Amino acid sequence: ETGVTQSPTHLIKTRGQQVTLRCSSQSGHNTVSWYQQALGQGPQFIFQYYREEENGRGNFPPRFSGLQFPNYSSELNVNALELDDSALYLCASSPRGLETQYFGPGTRLLVL
Amino acid sequence: GIQVEQSPPDLILQEGANSTLRCNFSDSVNNLQWFHQNPWGQLINLFYIPSGTKQNGRLSATTVATERYSLLYISSSQTTDSGVYFCAVAQAGTALIFGKGTTLSVSS
Repeated sequence: ETGVTQSPTHLIKTRGQQVTLRCSSQSGHNTVSWYQQALGQGPQFIFQYYREEENGRGNFPPRFSGLQFPNYSSELNVNALELDDSALYLCASSPRGLETQYFGPGTRLLVL
Repeated sequence: GIQVEQSPPDLILQEGANSTLRCNFSDSVNNLQWFHQNPWGQLINLFYIPSGTKQNGRLSATTVATERYSLLYISSSQTTDSGVYFCAVAQAGTALIFGKGTTLSVSS
């Protein structure tokens, strides 16, 4: 059984640019959630996708957007990057419902 | 929104010692998970425990849902146990709300 994978592992961008992060969910999981973890903090919920529809969103501006594909993989897009967007971005997958969320290794984004 | 508080924020132990980490939450939940974040940032699932008690090797956890707290016990600590331990809760099956974590350092 393949776990949650994310790409790329590291990324450096400059302020104002756009970035796309990718996540492949664990086999059999149809729900994907994205989290942002700033240095020294706990992860913060960005949004969740279930069967290609957004199914909940945290307190993040609209320049954070996402997609989920028919195979349940997902993308996180961030437009107009700001310095404060520098963080570890984590993707988690779960079966539908109140089940355990399994996290990928994350993508470290640095915005200069 | 729901608040999650973890204590202590930092813990320093000698190898072989036991420890208890606490997680308090401000409202009823139907999902509670404990994670260990390794130095590379990977969040490793330890327990899914919205109520009751579970054990896995040297680790065990207890959640008392009616009193809104959970405890993670680590026995016979090893240096590989070092890292940050997070408690996370959810109410409606979507967002996990994380505490600020407990940073554990185990020295040999």
